Amino acid sequence: DTAVSQTPKYLVTQMGNDKSIKCEQNLGHDTMYWYKQDSKKFLKIMFSYNNKELIINETVPNRFSPKSPDKAHLNLHINSLELGDSAVYFCASSPLAGGPDTQYFGPGTRLTVL
Amino acid sequence: DQQVKQNSPSLSVQEGRISILNCDYTNSMFDYFLWYKKYPAEGPTFLISISSIKDKNEDGRFTVFLNKSAKHLSLHIVPSQPGDSAVYFCAASAIRGSQGNLIFGKGTKLSVKP
Repeated sequence: DTAVSQTPKYLVTQMGNDKSIKCEQNLGHDTMYWYKQDSKKFLKIMFSYNNKELIINETVPNRFSPKSPDKAHLNLHINSLELGDSAVYFCASSPLAGGPDTQYFGPGTRLTVL
Repeated sequence: DQQVKQNSPSLSVQEGRISILNCDYTNSMFDYFLWYKKYPAEGPTFLISISSIKDKNEDGRFTVFLNKSAKHLSLHIVPSQPGDSAVYFCAASAIRGSQGNLIFGKGTKLSVKP
């Protein structure tokens, strides 16, 4: 059983489109995250979310919005896609928020904006 | 502003020898450090961690050393095996006063040659 899964694995789309990436975890974790790995290979956090609060990295454009229908899912919606949004997006989850925890990562979604 | 730095983008070692991966950090608030391993087309997977109250943590072939005064940590793999070939990410977290979000380095690609 996959602990953290993401769909789709690859996403190719045109500039200006709106797209979503889905993430599901079956670990019973309380907190979920979205990371972006850009062309320079930096892995940077975009959001962390539990059922109490959403923490947004202030550098993330408001075109990006996380949506959590339930504790096991945190989907990433991206509006008006731009060329610079091309990256690999990783979802992750952890059992605690603010504690010495470890995060479990999904396999990543490679987004290419043409 | 890179708070976690991995200055060596790649490292090549012979099977059976020791691999030493280095990581420096700038934020003195960091008090928990982790190493993640990443294979191509997969998400990062947790490898080993260390709290700032320790200076060494060992798990089988993997040992992490922390030098707080130098703001430096290193991962030792001995003996190195071809299956260890992957990208290794150093990550840091400030547990107190934050959400425990991880700040990642850029990664070091380790190649272990048979």
